Amino acid sequence: EGQLVESGGGLIQPGGSLRLSCAASGFRVSDNYMNWVRQAPERGLEWVADIYDNGNTYHSESVKGRFTISRDNSKNTLFLQMSNLRVEDTAVYFCAREITWHYDIWGQGTAVIVSS
Amino acid sequence: EIVMTQSPATLSLSPGERATLSCRASHTISRHLHWYQQKSGQAPRLLIYDVSNRATGIPSRFSGSGSGTDFTLTISSLEPEDFAVYFCQQRTGSPTFGQGTKLEIK
Repeated sequence: EGQLVESGGGLIQPGGSLRLSCAASGFRVSDNYMNWVRQAPERGLEWVADIYDNGNTYHSESVKGRFTISRDNSKNTLFLQMSNLRVEDTAVYFCAREITWHYDIWGQGTAVIVSS
Repeated sequence: EIVMTQSPATLSLSPGERATLSCRASHTISRHLHWYQQKSGQAPRLLIYDVSNRATGIPSRFSGSGSGTDFTLTISSLEPEDFAVYFCQQRTGSPTFGQGTKLEIK
């Protein structure tokens, strides 16, 4: 079975930028729908962005224009470039594989803290 | 955006009891309604997909039902490892999640 491992989280000041990575093993990110989902402290889950196998990308309204999802097929890795970060972007960010509209594989998550 | 509302927010039960968790959509959704279990400090785990299909390795005590706007996750007889937070998720358009039901030991 496949595995996802996120990295790149950390403490960042408001207005700053950060790039999250999600390394996949056991399957190709390019053959699948891949997502970023976040979870703020003591809060529920919020979809952030996805990239389809054909390369089409979609972002939630709350991050549109600030975050960009992408992938590197040669490295079998998913990315989330985050800029102009806000305090409300503080969350654990999970990458997840989407199979027929549900998430069957999740990473362990990487924490992003936006604070001055 | 379709809003998913779960109830109750917290459910206190004892091992061996039956748990019934509800999830209501703000609009009629397709059968792409899924349930996840999340334990503290862990990623969510897929339990049920497309309303009623158990994911690989999920015990038969977990079952899902519903249609339209109302959906239910049932755990027939609670085991100690079932006490966790449960989320529903829909995929008609952009994905959205319910706010979760915390299943705690009474």
